[in-house]
Amino acid sequence: AQSVSQHNHHVILSEAASLELGCNYSYGGTVNLFWYVQYPGQHLQLLLKYFSGDPLVKGIKGFEAEFIKSKFSFNLRKPSVQWSDTAEYFCAVIILHRDNYGQNFVFGPGTRLSVLP
Amino acid sequence: DTAVSQTPKYLVTQMGNDKSIKCEQNLGHDTMYWYKQDSKKFLKIMFSYNNKELIINETVPNRFSPKSPDKAHLNLHINSLELGDSAVYFCASSQALSAGYTFGSGTRLTVV
Repeated sequence: AQSVSQHNHHVILSEAASLELGCNYSYGGTVNLFWYVQYPGQHLQLLLKYFSGDPLVKGIKGFEAEFIKSKFSFNLRKPSVQWSDTAEYFCAVIILHRDNYGQNFVFGPGTRLSVLP
Repeated sequence: DTAVSQTPKYLVTQMGNDKSIKCEQNLGHDTMYWYKQDSKKFLKIMFSYNNKELIINETVPNRFSPKSPDKAHLNLHINSLELGDSAVYFCASSQALSAGYTFGSGTRLTVV
């Protein structure tokens, strides 16, 4: 079965530290990749997505992610975090098949990021 | 205008009751979903509807019944609520072969 793993359950950083959250998926075919953020008490919001082309994608709020096909990875990065980045981060994968209606949209277990002021 | 709206935002109810959560999207998307997020923040798909037709029904107790009167609405009805049903339920929508989901704000269900 397809799966998405996120390396860290909980990451604690000080403000201005650099961030990298790991994401790996287990599927050898064509995928679309996403990072979602969930701020405390809120719904999930799309940070960025990768479909094709440049494997380094830039999203909102200074986040970026790099797709490395050979490693089945899509790690999220930010050079300098802020207290307001405290949230839960979810990696997600849509596995593309013909007539796909998104039923293979698989979320990772999430990584909680706590940024200390 | 809210793209995907869910009501109610909070729902506290006793075991054994029947309750419904409503979801509406004004994005013109073809596909709508219900996800359950447990206390550990794990997201699990429950149902997916495409143009009012059920296309995914994961291993969910049959006490849960989705209803889609039209492609802009996907409601979730739960019979005989149990303590383990306590969670946050998210509605989402997407276009077929989509670029990702747009999520609703969630409904926090607490069964006491």
